[in-house]
Amino acid sequence: DGGITQSPKYLFRKEGQNVTLSCEQNLNHDAMYWYRQDPGQGLRLIYYSQIVNDFQKGDIAEGYSVSREKKESFPLTVTSAQKNPTAFYLCASSTRSTAGYEQYFGPGTRLTVT
Amino acid sequence: AQSVSQHNHHVILSEAASLELGCNYSYGGTVNLFWYVQYPGQHLQLLLKYFSGDPLVKGIKGFEAEFIKSKFSFNLRKPSVQWSDTAEYFCAATALGQGGKLIFGQGTELSVKP
Repeated sequence: DGGITQSPKYLFRKEGQNVTLSCEQNLNHDAMYWYRQDPGQGLRLIYYSQIVNDFQKGDIAEGYSVSREKKESFPLTVTSAQKNPTAFYLCASSTRSTAGYEQYFGPGTRLTVT
Repeated sequence: AQSVSQHNHHVILSEAASLELGCNYSYGGTVNLFWYVQYPGQHLQLLLKYFSGDPLVKGIKGFEAEFIKSKFSFNLRKPSVQWSDTAEYFCAATALGQGGKLIFGQGTELSVKP
């Protein structure tokens, strides 16, 4: 089945540790995105990538890093510099279209840092 | 700055009641608008979208939304809600030339009482 997979579903880390969240898509989409979801704040864009080997910061990139070495994969690293890392992280992808972009979302990873 | 705002944080309705969730956006130029839904424990999924053409857009599960350019609004409606519509609803917008960056509203939690 085509879709977006994120792993793991739940992740627990100690404060001060870096952690990498996985996102893989087999939709042959060019663009991929990482969002953070917090209660009452909707989804906020962390990083996005329109093409392999290129990515841009979103609205809340501080304390995060990404790579885009393959079209199918867009891993997100939450570094120890991120002050409030506990959140629900959603990955999305979209095909580029002159009519606009519809994004498809993965199931999310809930990260808890203590 | 570009933004999307949703008027209600939590809406409680009885089954068969009519629903209208407000969404306003602040964007210049051509805008693409979306409503996404997140059912408990499920992926964020697309309800409907507006790119161009008829401003009244019909989506899945009997939902519709009307794009009113003069009011910068894209309200979501359903004539008769069901218990299974209990979910969180997100309005989102993007503009051409923005690399597909979606700006989300804060979300509206809908609870439908049986």
